[in-house]
Amino acid sequence: EVQLLASGGGLIQPGGSLRLSCAASGFTFSSHAMNWVRQRPGKGLEWVSSISARGTNAYNADSVKGRFTISRDNSKNILSLQMNSLRVEDTAIYYCAKSVGTLVSGYFDYWGQGTLVTVSS
Amino acid sequence: SYVLTQAPSVSVAPGKTARITCGGDNIGRKSVHWFLQRPGQAPVLVIYYGSDRPSGIPERFSGSNSGNTATLTISRVEAGDEADYYCQVWDSSSDHWVFGGGTKVTVL
Repeated sequence: EVQLLASGGGLIQPGGSLRLSCAASGFTFSSHAMNWVRQRPGKGLEWVSSISARGTNAYNADSVKGRFTISRDNSKNILSLQMNSLRVEDTAIYYCAKSVGTLVSGYFDYWGQGTLVTVSS
Repeated sequence: SYVLTQAPSVSVAPGKTARITCGGDNIGRKSVHWFLQRPGQAPVLVIYYGSDRPSGIPERFSGSNSGNTATLTISRVEAGDEADYYCQVWDSSSDHWVFGGGTKVTVL
């Protein structure tokens, strides 16, 4: 059974940094691209970042470019999102999602339960 | 950047058919994926590549895609189908994933 367990969320002041993790199990992690998607309170889904299976290609939404960095450790089956220079508008539930196949263009077939990030003074 | 447009809400009586549209420039040339999200839960894939259903998704869910509109159709709607529905495409010109704004389906 595919499981995606996101963690690392919490309350952080504007300008601060936070690192999210997503522990994956139930599938061959190194064979699948992975993604982060967020949902601001009461709003829709917003793609944040994607990384290819081997970690050679990574893409970010314009809203987080230069501030967020996606990475993965295929030896530990962990996906990460380093979030720097956090803003109030980054407040959201952050979901990790598994892609079909190795490429970032593969559709998302499984989602984790998400972790809440609150940016507030 | 590529934009996907969805109606904010759709209401449907039990047993009837709900049609949720997703508009985009020449979206018929793209692969469209659909998700449902119930309150407080993570999204769930219901249609991929425009019309394919993952295992476990009822046959009542179907999809089509042509021209500037992709459509998710829910036949014989049930109370449990009440959720937010999102369309999604990969925009290869920007290497970005794009989500529609979501449609809230209310079962009357």
